[in-house]
Amino acid sequence: DAGVIQSPRHEVTEMGQEVTLRCKPISGHNSLFWYRQTMMRGLELLIYFNNNVPIDDSGMPEDRFSAKMPNASFSTLKIQPSEPRDSAVYFCASSSGDRVSGELFFGEGSRLTVL
Amino acid sequence: KNQVEQSPQSLIILEGKNCTLQCNYTVSPFSNLRWYKQDTGRGPVSLTIMTFSENTKSNGRYTATLDADTKQSSLHITASQLSDSASYICVVTVGITGTASKLTFGTGTRLQVTL
Repeated sequence: DAGVIQSPRHEVTEMGQEVTLRCKPISGHNSLFWYRQTMMRGLELLIYFNNNVPIDDSGMPEDRFSAKMPNASFSTLKIQPSEPRDSAVYFCASSSGDRVSGELFFGEGSRLTVL
Repeated sequence: KNQVEQSPQSLIILEGKNCTLQCNYTVSPFSNLRWYKQDTGRGPVSLTIMTFSENTKSNGRYTATLDADTKQSSLHITASQLSDSASYICVVTVGITGTASKLTFGTGTRLQVTL
């Protein structure tokens, strides 16, 4: 299995630009998570999908962030407009169960730098 | 407030030595506790997942313990190797029902194994 695939691995952009991060979960997994990791705050949940439906988006910072999961094999996280404080590593993870029982499999992350 | 605290924040040990990482949590209701290993520039990888009834769980040279009464967990690494150099993250699942549960992350212990 190829694991969770994220793209791009690195993104450098200027403040105000739109950023789109992409994720392909492991085939057969029905839960998908987007996390943000910074040195100061560690890993923080942004949004959680179950069977393509957003279940918990309480971690989405503000209206500049949006996430979609149009089908079971693809999800996007969009930031528009981007700001320097959005600089972080964004991880996508998937699991075959729910948040209680499912083991999380993380992608390699997308490192975002907003200048 | 649900919290997960890890100690020490960082640790340097000589190759071949043993070490123990600590995780204290204050969450309710508790569902399970996980340890993840995160190599620099990579996504976290699951080491163990322990439920309320499990006291000890091993994965090769990694042994996790859980004391649900004192709400403490430890990760013991035996005969450390250079490849053990990584961040180790403790994660507690809060809640007992699937989609309503939440994962609470510690900020991690950064381990460096040297020659």
